[in-house]
Amino acid sequence: AQTVTQSQPEMSVQEAETVTLSCTYDTSENNYYLFWYKQPPSRQMILVIRQEAYKQQNATENRFSVNFQKAAKSFSLKISDSQLGDTAMYFCAFMKLASSGTYKYIFGTGTRLKVLA
Amino acid sequence: EAGVAQSPRYKIIEKRQSVAFWCNPISGHATLYWYQQILGQGPKLLIQFQNNGVVDDSQLPKDRFSAERLKGVDSTLKIQPAKLEDSAVYLCASSLGVSRVEQYFGPGTRLTVT
Repeated sequence: AQTVTQSQPEMSVQEAETVTLSCTYDTSENNYYLFWYKQPPSRQMILVIRQEAYKQQNATENRFSVNFQKAAKSFSLKISDSQLGDTAMYFCAFMKLASSGTYKYIFGTGTRLKVLA
Repeated sequence: EAGVAQSPRYKIIEKRQSVAFWCNPISGHATLYWYQQILGQGPKLLIQFQNNGVVDDSQLPKDRFSAERLKGVDSTLKIQPAKLEDSAVYLCASSLGVSRVEQYFGPGTRLTVT
């Protein structure tokens, strides 16, 4: 069974600094997707970034980038130039195509990030 | 584009009572998910629909939880009877499927069972 581990329950960073959130996963699949989702205190979960396992190039979305190490099964999120609005819970998620032909998601336990002014 | 809608946003009930949650996914999204998120934990999948058929309900406590997706659009999740441990946020999400695999989440319903 697939598992997703986020070993940092809480982190803090100074505004404008860079922070890296860690995520490791366990799978025997070769084709899958990885995501980072952000959940601000208001609870609406939104997608931050996605990575296809078959792509070697790390995904980037503005200030957010990932370091995808497929062999090590590691998928970290780097937030550059941190802003107060980045304060949120961040969830790492693994997705694979299930035998039913649909997509199956597994979420980590989350990292609570606080950006300090 | 309208997002995933959920109601109610908050609900407080006593144990052994019943409760229902409603979700309206993004138009055209074939796949709908219900998650349970206990405070301090990540979302746990309860049930997944593809159109109006169930494709995964392996973690749904079927003795007290039920869900349906009428006409492949709206969905309701019901708990009857509720237990204290059901206190959580219930998240609904939808995805287009095929090559668009990202999930879009609703605001959630915070349930408190007293």
